[in-house]
Amino acid sequence: GNSVTQMEGPVTLSEEAFLTINCTYTATGYPSLFWYVQYPGEGLQLLLKATKADDKGSNKGFEATYRKETTSFHLEKGSVQVSDSAVYFCALAAGGTSYGKLTFGQGTILTVHP
Amino acid sequence: DVKVTQSSRYLVKRTGEKVFLECVQDMDHENMFWYRQDPGLGLRLIYFSYDVKMKEKGDIPEGYSVSREKKERFSLILESASTNQTSMYLCASSRGAGRTGELFFGEGSRLTVL
Repeated sequence: GNSVTQMEGPVTLSEEAFLTINCTYTATGYPSLFWYVQYPGEGLQLLLKATKADDKGSNKGFEATYRKETTSFHLEKGSVQVSDSAVYFCALAAGGTSYGKLTFGQGTILTVHP
Repeated sequence: DVKVTQSSRYLVKRTGEKVFLECVQDMDHENMFWYRQDPGLGLRLIYFSYDVKMKEKGDIPEGYSVSREKKERFSLILESASTNQTSMYLCASSRGAGRTGELFFGEGSRLTVL
């Protein structure tokens, strides 16, 4: 079946540090890949997505590239801010008619200190 | 502003009680989902619905049922609550079939079963 594995957290960084959160997946066919973010006390919201190999999703300074050869979709940001403190989830949607069902990774807690 | 609203943010129930979690969306979305979120496990799909009165089991349906009598409303029912159902429950919706994958989430309902 489909699965998503994220790097274990929590991750603690100082403001302006470089961020990488690793994500690898297992899926049949050609899934779409997503990063969702959950700020404290809120529901999840879409951060970025990529629907085919070599696509790069980007938003709010975050980027992730869909790498089919390594089945990866690592999240990066060049300079994190305190306001980026949140839980980050990698997810995939299987190929075909999936009605938007997503398979999520376990989540990575990011804390950024001033 | 589009919205998914969950009726209760916090609930405390006793073992064996019947529990209803309500979710309403105002985006005229066809698909609605119930996930549970547990630390270290990410989000796991309980049930989803792709049309009124239609439902399908997700990955962990045991102990749960759902109801979708109107397009905008999707209810999760715990027939006889147990302590291992203590969790955060997230409702989400999305548009149509296919694999766009953008889910819109509510803020969550934190259920404690004593």
